Order: sequence, then structure tokens, then C-alpha cells
Amino acid sequence: EAQVTQNPRYLITVTGKKLTVTCSQNMNHEYMSWYRQDPGLGLRQIYYSMNVEVTDKGDVPEGYKVSRKEKRNFPLILESPSPNQTSLYFCATGTGYNEQFFGPGTRLTVL
Amino acid sequence: GESVGLHLPTLSVQEGDNSIINCAYSNSASDYFIWYKQESGKGPQFIIDIRSNMDKRQGQRVTVLLNKTVKHLSLQIAATQPGDSAVYFCAENPHHNYGQNFVFGPGTRLSVLP
Repeated sequence: EAQVTQNPRYLITVTGKKLTVTCSQNMNHEYMSWYRQDPGLGLRQIYYSMNVEVTDKGDVPEGYKVSRKEKRNFPLILESPSPNQTSLYFCATGTGYNEQFFGPGTRLTVL
Repeated sequence: GESVGLHLPTLSVQEGDNSIINCAYSNSASDYFIWYKQESGKGPQFIIDIRSNMDKRQGQRVTVLLNKTVKHLSLQIAATQPGDSAVYFCAENPHHNYGQNFVFGPGTRLSVLP
């Protein structure tokens, strides 16, 4: 079954404590993205990757890092989380100039 | 900057009626558009897409219309069912050379009344 998985699905943490949200896909897609979703603001792209070792900033990259060492994985790293990073995060994958497939989401709360 | 917006943040329709959800986009260079459906607690799901060389595309019970002259996109859902209740997003791709740099609108919540 084609899947995009994210872990954890829910996380409550404190300011400054480094965390990683993992994203994995089994569809052999070249393209992977991270979005955050906030009320009234829709989905905003954080980072994207067009292939292994190729990453670039989206619209709201501040405070986030990513890596793409393997085609199937695209972790999102928050080195020093702050309360304004409390949000719902989605990973998405796709190929070329086509639709994106989204993961189930990770709800993050930073106290 | 580039933006995608929706005219109606909420829409309530009677079961069995047709629904129309609208979207305005600002980048005339955008040439690929997608409608997504997001149910509570889930990630967005692809509904239908359209490229700028078309003005209409039909799927199962859904139709997307594209008017490039006024930069307007709409999603029509025929015979709306309770399972159609969700938030609907339009997304545009303003960077066609990069493939997947989508800009999403804030969404419209569709409520289907019994």
C-alpha cells in the first residue's frame, strides 16, 4: 500500500528542546515537502527536496532544518523549538509536475 | 507576493444540492492547479487537478473550472453528500520549472445539511 508516514503523530515539548519529526514514503517519489498548517493561514511550505541531498527553503523556513540522505526519508528538525512553532505539520511527496500525496500530520505543541 | 485565496470561508448546502467552491489566484504565470479535500484529523487528499491549457475538467461528481482571464478557479460538487463535509483547498503552482512548489489558499469549510 502506497503510504506517507509521519512520527510522532502528537508531541508536546518545551521551548529549546531539540526534536525531530520523521517522514517516510514507499512510493519512490523524488519530491518531498514539509508544510505547516495554522488556522486561517492554510498550508505553508517550510522546506522541499527535489531529490537526495537536494533541499531548498520554502516560504517559512526560519527555525527549521531538513535533510535528505535517503530517497524515502525526509526528517524535519527543530533545533530549538519556540511556542510560535506550535502547529500541525504535514509531509508530502510527489513526482514532477503532478499532485502531492500528504501524510497524516503531526500535531506539535511547544510550551 | 503570490497568493491564493477563497471568496467564501464557509459554505452550507443541503444534501443532494450542488456545491460550488471558489478560489482566486494572483499569479498569472501559474499553470497547474489542484483542489484538495481535508477531513477532520487527516491530511489533504487530492480531488482533481487542471492545467492552464484547459478551462474545464471533470471527475466523478466533481468539476473544476479555470478562468485565466480573471484568475479564478472553482470546484463544483454534484449531488453533495454528507461525506463531502470537509475543508477544501485550492493550490496553484507558480514555479512550473520546479514541479511541486504549491501555494495553498486558506480553505473553505463545506457543511452538508441533512
